[in-house]
Amino acid sequence: AQTVTQSQPEMSVQEAETVTLSCTYDTSENNYYLFWYKQPPSRQMILVIRQEAYKQQNATENRFSVNFQKAAKSFSLKISDSQLGDTAMYFCAFMGGDMRFGAGTRLTVKP
Amino acid sequence: DTGVSQNPRHKITKRGQNVTFRCDPISEHNRLYWYRQTLGQGPEFLTYFQNEAQLEKSRLLSDRFSAERPKGSFSTLEIQRTEQGDSAMYLCAGSSGGARETQYFGPGTRLLVL
Repeated sequence: AQTVTQSQPEMSVQEAETVTLSCTYDTSENNYYLFWYKQPPSRQMILVIRQEAYKQQNATENRFSVNFQKAAKSFSLKISDSQLGDTAMYFCAFMGGDMRFGAGTRLTVKP
Repeated sequence: DTGVSQNPRHKITKRGQNVTFRCDPISEHNRLYWYRQTLGQGPEFLTYFQNEAQLEKSRLLSDRFSAERPKGSFSTLEIQRTEQGDSAMYLCAGSSGGARETQYFGPGTRLLVL
C-alpha cells in the first residue's frame, strides 16, 4: 500500500525568506503522480504544484518548486520569497491508483 | 476558485439522524471523488465516480454511507444513522480526462454530530 509521510507537523518562516517542506512516500509503482496542495484556514484546498514521476525535471510554478528524488522516494516543496498569504496547511499527495495524502504541514509565515 | 461547489457548508445533526451532502463539479469533470478529512489529518479517500458509475469504494465507506451521481453531473453523499465518529469535513473533488489528472477540490461540508 502506498503511504505518504510528512515529518514536519508545523513550520514557520519569516516573510521573504525561503522554506522547504519535506515529503516521503512508499510505493512499488513506477508510474505515478505527486502533488502539493495548499489549504488556507477555512478555505478550500488548491493545487500548488504537480510532478509526473516519469519526468526527471523538477516542476516549478513561480515561487514554488519541488525537489523530486525518485530513487529516494522524496518530494520536497520549496517556497521562495515567502508571503503572508502562504500561511496554510500544505498536503503532499501521491496518485498511483487512488490518491493518498500525508498528514500535512502547518506553515506560518511571520511578518 | 476551482469551480467545484458543495452544499451545505456546515451541518450540525444529532446522533442517529440521516444527512445528505451535495457536490457540484464543473461540467468537464467526468470523474468525481469524495474524501473525509478529520482535524489535523489529510483527506482520506471514500469513493469515486466516472460519469455516473461508482467505480471504487474505500473500506472507510461503511454500509451507512451511500453515494450517487445519477446523471454524471452532481453527486450526493448520504450518511444514515449518524454517529459521533462521523464528525469530519467531507470534501469532493472533480477531474477531467484520465485517472491521474489533477483533482480540483470543493470547499467541503463540515459535519458535526452531537
